[in-house]
Amino acid sequence: GAVVSQHPSWVICKSGTSVKIECRSLDFQATTMFWYRQFPKQSLMLMATSNEGSKATYEQGVEKDKFLINHASLTLSTLTVTSAHPEDSSFYICSARRGGDEQYFGPGTRLTVT
Amino acid sequence: GENVEQHPSTLSVQEGDSAVIKCTYSDSASNYFPWYKQELGKRPQLIIDIRSNVGEKKDQRIAVTLNKTAKHFSLHITETQPEDSAVYFCAGFRTDYKLSFGAGTTVTVRA
Repeated sequence: GAVVSQHPSWVICKSGTSVKIECRSLDFQATTMFWYRQFPKQSLMLMATSNEGSKATYEQGVEKDKFLINHASLTLSTLTVTSAHPEDSSFYICSARRGGDEQYFGPGTRLTVT
Repeated sequence: GENVEQHPSTLSVQEGDSAVIKCTYSDSASNYFPWYKQELGKRPQLIIDIRSNVGEKKDQRIAVTLNKTAKHFSLHITETQPEDSAVYFCAGFRTDYKLSFGAGTTVTVRA
């Protein structure tokens, strides 16, 4: 149990376009979902925290108008990278928590902006 | 907020030897410390975790120790195998119940 999926697994887009990434908890309802960004050879950096039915909480330095988060249900959160630029190219990973301490991670989405 | 420091950044060990990774944290209120293993291009996988009311936890070849007074915790991998080669991250809870990750340790097990 506790499986988290992400879609797509990789995406290439042109500079200036928007990209949507989906994160789903497949076999449980997630009280909270988290979005991380990971650059090559670096650690996971929390971007924002998403709770169903409420506005996302963004970490300091993360532009909320650029990284739009929608948490429509207890099993789905989406991250939209708007007006993407090459510096947004990264590995985006979501995770979900179902009430305890443990977080369950999605497989990640590799975004490349050309 | 929580600041987690992790050492070393890289670790090379001979197969069969032990590997030890150490982390320190700043927030004395932190009470949950997970360790993750991440292979290239894959998701982080929880390998072991420890809570602040426990000093040590073991799961087969993996163990974690926690020293609350000194605010540090360590991952111990015994009898290392080539499949243990990966990047390992420690983490700790911030006061807002969100995880703060260490910088990671790249472990290479030499056959």
